[in-house]
Amino acid sequence: DTEVTQTPKHLVMGMTNKKSLKCEQHMGHRAMYWYKQKAKKPPELMFVYSYEKLSINESVPSRFSPECPNSSLLNLHLHALQPEDSALYLCASSQDPMGAQGSGYTFGSGTRLTVV
Amino acid sequence: ELKVEQNPLFLSMQEGKNYTIYCNYSTTSDRLYWYRQDPGKSLESLFVLLSNGAVKQEGRLMASLDTKARLSTLHITAAVHDLSATYFCAVVQGAQKLVFGQGTRLTINP
Repeated sequence: DTEVTQTPKHLVMGMTNKKSLKCEQHMGHRAMYWYKQKAKKPPELMFVYSYEKLSINESVPSRFSPECPNSSLLNLHLHALQPEDSALYLCASSQDPMGAQGSGYTFGSGTRLTVV
Repeated sequence: ELKVEQNPLFLSMQEGKNYTIYCNYSTTSDRLYWYRQDPGKSLESLFVLLSNGAVKQEGRLMASLDTKARLSTLHITAAVHDLSATYFCAVVQGAQKLVFGQGTRLTINP
């Protein structure tokens, strides 16, 4: 299995809702990432987990709450989002959290989130 | 803070022509990536460049890296319509943070 699987593919939520995005990989990768991509913009890093511990939080608002239950799973819990949070949320994984040479990143297909 | 700049940001070209996309970055890094993204889709990995002078080719695409100039190029040879997409370069900051360029939206016309 060489994929990163994200669910759901599409999500529409109200500003008072609570929802979660899920990401799963079975490649034995020890680093997992959440990126946010607005339309016609590059992806921007949100969070990094290394060996199931949060290692980078790019000053993301607390309405986004990441969770890494085990080495294969990464969740992003959403609460009280704003319409400007509508974007494509991409999950990625890499084999070596410390960035050994050649350690590439595998991206999932993304969750397209619309906040209404 | 690492800055990654691509140019051009928009490129419209005819089939059969050659062109180059440039990626400049502001601080030293030991890895540079090129990705392709089709509209509404995720990122497809094209190349990983690890050392100065590295050159990689896949089909009509060739990427190179000059770490001294902090410059990478993505060269398209004899473009075909199927190559229409947005192309991103990305550079690693520290050990874990991947910083993307703005993207080059490439349109290839018959």
